[in-house]
Parts: sequence; structure tokens; C-alpha cells
Amino acid sequence: DAGVTQSPTHLIKTRGQQVTLRCSPISGHKSVSWYQQVLGQGPQFIFQYYEKEERGRGNFPDRFSARQFPNYSSELNVNALLLGDSALYLCASSWGGKQNYQPQHFGDGTRLSIL
Amino acid sequence: QKEVEQNSGPLSVPEGAIASLNCTYSDRGSQSFFWYRQYSGKSPELIMFIYSNGDKEDGRFTAQLNKASQYVSLLIRDSQPSDSATYLCAVPLYNQGGKLIFGQGTELSVKP
Repeated sequence: DAGVTQSPTHLIKTRGQQVTLRCSPISGHKSVSWYQQVLGQGPQFIFQYYEKEERGRGNFPDRFSARQFPNYSSELNVNALLLGDSALYLCASSWGGKQNYQPQHFGDGTRLSIL
Repeated sequence: QKEVEQNSGPLSVPEGAIASLNCTYSDRGSQSFFWYRQYSGKSPELIMFIYSNGDKEDGRFTAQLNKASQYVSLLIRDSQPSDSATYLCAVPLYNQGGKLIFGQGTELSVKP
């Protein structure tokens, strides 16, 4: 079975541009979460979606937005890119459920570089 | 106090030894605990998870929970050079859906 797939794998943008990252969850998983990881730190929670509804949002500015589609895939959008947005963006999927204590499985990530 | 804390290391152990990785968490309502392994330049890979009802052993890996002390540990027996990686402890916050809080990770180096 395919794992979590993310695209693109690498992306180079300049300050002020906008970017869209994509994620397809493991088959049967209904919950998708997005994380940002900078070098030397653990991943930081950005968003979680379950059944197309936003379930949680981390401490990120409004330049970050996301959505989930009926097939449970998801997009993360970042507007007005800043140098500090350079990071590895990770998507994770899980079965979901009321409290979602199930393990989350990560894709390979999208490495975003801002020049 | 950080919500999830780990010693950043590096932790160096000889091949064949037991590596012990530790994690403390602040949310007393936490119900599950995850350990991820992350090789340099790669994404985190889930290697162990336990729920609040007890410890778990899987091959060379054992995860232990001490709820009273809010402490989770990961033991790796018969450590191999291929175990050299950063190990991330992650805890979903109680009543906040699936928001996973990660520690900063412990770098493990297994020397042949």
C-alpha cells in the first residue's frame, strides 16, 4: 500500500511569492496534518484537518492556510513568503476519530527554500 | 516549561549496547505517546507508540511510560550503527484533536 505522498519534493521560491504544497494520505486515513520542521528542531504543528473540517491550528500567521478535499487529500498554501519560511514541510495522515490519539504517519516532505 | 522535552544529545553508545532515550511531557491528560526515528535529510518514521495503559516491546525496541513522573523512555537493545539517527518523542495534546507536540529530538550515534 502506498504511504503518504507529497509533492513537490523540492521547491525554490523568492520572497513575496506564494506556494502550494500537496499531500495524499494513506488509503483509508481521513485526517491530515501539516508540520513545519527547521534544521535542528522537532516538527511544529501548523494545521490538522479531519473530514474536510479544520480541527486544529498552530501558532502560524494567517499567511498559512490549508484545505482538505472530499478524497481526503490536502493542500497547504503559504502567501507572501519570507526567508524564515524556508523549512521542510511535512504532511502526516492518520485514521482520525474523535480525539485522534492514533499514530500519525509522515510523507517524505517538501523542502522549501526561499531566496 | 516546554510541553515535550528531550535531551538533545548527542548520545553515543558502542555497538551492541543498550541506548536509553528519555522524554518528559507536561500535559497530564495525554493518552498516547509516539517515538519517531529521523535519519539526516529524511522525514520522521514512526517506530513505536504506546497508550496510557502500559509499556510495549517490539523487537529490539521497548517503550516505557511513567505517568506519575510524566516520563516516557525508549530503550534500544543490541544497538546497531544503522540505529544512528535523531529520535523524536511526540505527544498529542489532550482535548486538542490530533495536535502532536514534538520534543527537539535526541541524536543517537552508535559506534562500531
